[in-house]
Amino acid sequence: GAGVSQSPRYKVAKRGQDVALRCDPISGHVSLFWYQQALGQGPEFLTYFQNEAQLDKSGLPSDRFFAERPEGSVSTLKIQRTQQEDSAVYLCASSVDGGIAGELFFGEGSRLTVL
Amino acid sequence: SQKIEQNSEALNIQEGKTATLTCNYTNYSPAYLQWYRQDPGRGPVFLLLIRENEKEKRKERLKVTFDTTLKQSLFHITASQPADSATYLCALPFSGGYNKLIFGAGTRLAVHP
Repeated sequence: GAGVSQSPRYKVAKRGQDVALRCDPISGHVSLFWYQQALGQGPEFLTYFQNEAQLDKSGLPSDRFFAERPEGSVSTLKIQRTQQEDSAVYLCASSVDGGIAGELFFGEGSRLTVL
Repeated sequence: SQKIEQNSEALNIQEGKTATLTCNYTNYSPAYLQWYRQDPGRGPVFLLLIRENEKEKRKERLKVTFDTTLKQSLFHITASQPADSATYLCALPFSGGYNKLIFGAGTRLAVHP
């Protein structure tokens, strides 16, 4: 597709449920990032992939959060045993390569609400 | 730790005027700085990048300045239009050799007809 695609756009989960959020980056983009955005705040870094390698997962808030990009294209962010504090918009972004100063192309985000 | 500050209060201006948004940072010497626009319910969209050796960058009605001594960037929209109403995010790279960005909280701009 022409841009970064994320699904689902909206997800409501009961506390304790597992959720999976999908990101389809721009074809050929080497770098993929996941960000979490709380209401009224800027995006906060979660994790970074260069192709299929997860090079940085320092922003993942707990071991309930897990991300993968097994073939270097589509990525999935999984949250196990969701908690209310996990409610946020999860943004995926890709860039052409991991080089410094590249522009990030963001998807529309997946809004997660945990009841 | 690295910190970015943007005006948390919304900026309200009249159509046709110049909007000026501020981004301040501390404990940091970034090689470049980026500005993004975010509309409600949408992902951020890249606008401009300015490097540490550039004092000013322009793109159509947008102008960005970068003062590494003051640790500040100013983002200007001239001849503002209601369609410019959005949240504007400032972003700087973490150190680490790749484009991992830290974002400010953003400033909401409202341009009134």
